Amino acid sequence: DVKVTQSSRYLVKRTGEKVFLECVQDMDHENMFWYRQDPGLGLRLIYFSYDVKMKEKGDIPEGYSVSREKKERFSLILESASTNQTSMYLCASSFLGGNQPQHFGDGTRLSIL
Amino acid sequence: GQQVMQIPQYQHVQEGEDFTTYCNSSTTLSNIQWYKQRPGGHPVFLIQLVKSGEVKKQKRLTFQFGEAKKNSSLHITATQTTDVGTYFCAPRATGANNLFFGTGTRLTVIP
Repeated sequence: DVKVTQSSRYLVKRTGEKVFLECVQDMDHENMFWYRQDPGLGLRLIYFSYDVKMKEKGDIPEGYSVSREKKERFSLILESASTNQTSMYLCASSFLGGNQPQHFGDGTRLSIL
Repeated sequence: GQQVMQIPQYQHVQEGEDFTTYCNSSTTLSNIQWYKQRPGGHPVFLIQLVKSGEVKKQKRLTFQFGEAKKNSSLHITATQTTDVGTYFCAPRATGANNLFFGTGTRLTVIP
């Protein structure tokens, strides 16, 4: 079974802090994704990566950056956290190709105070 | 950019009633996936539709892809309490690299 593991289930940080969210997958997937989920807005893509050191902007990349130094690990970075980044963050992975199913982690509920 | 509308946003049904959620895109789609997210859980892949007019069934769930490949639906026959959750469509526009998730339909089943 595919396992996508997010480092924290709940996280509380302060405005202006640099925040790191980590995601690890164990299925040798090429694609990895970061989404945020807010009530009434569904899942919105922040960034994705299709290979090590490669990254592409999603629909809402502002205020975020990502890092993919190893194939199994994809990090989301909030350079200077703001209260409007309080949200549920979901990581997903899939094999290469737009018709591959995505496998999600359990999510990190991030609160910025 | 791609616009996806999923309706309704919420649906409450009595156990045993049927349920349908609709997904409409402004652009022609290459394929569409459907996911289910249980309360407190993460989205889980249900199915993918690729062909125009395609219909697929999974027990009480029926998935349809429109003839013009711009819309899709998920129908649940005789809902059960285990069907509770949010159902997301995730279409991929022709030529796009990625899926675009709809806003989801949150289903509540009243026993």
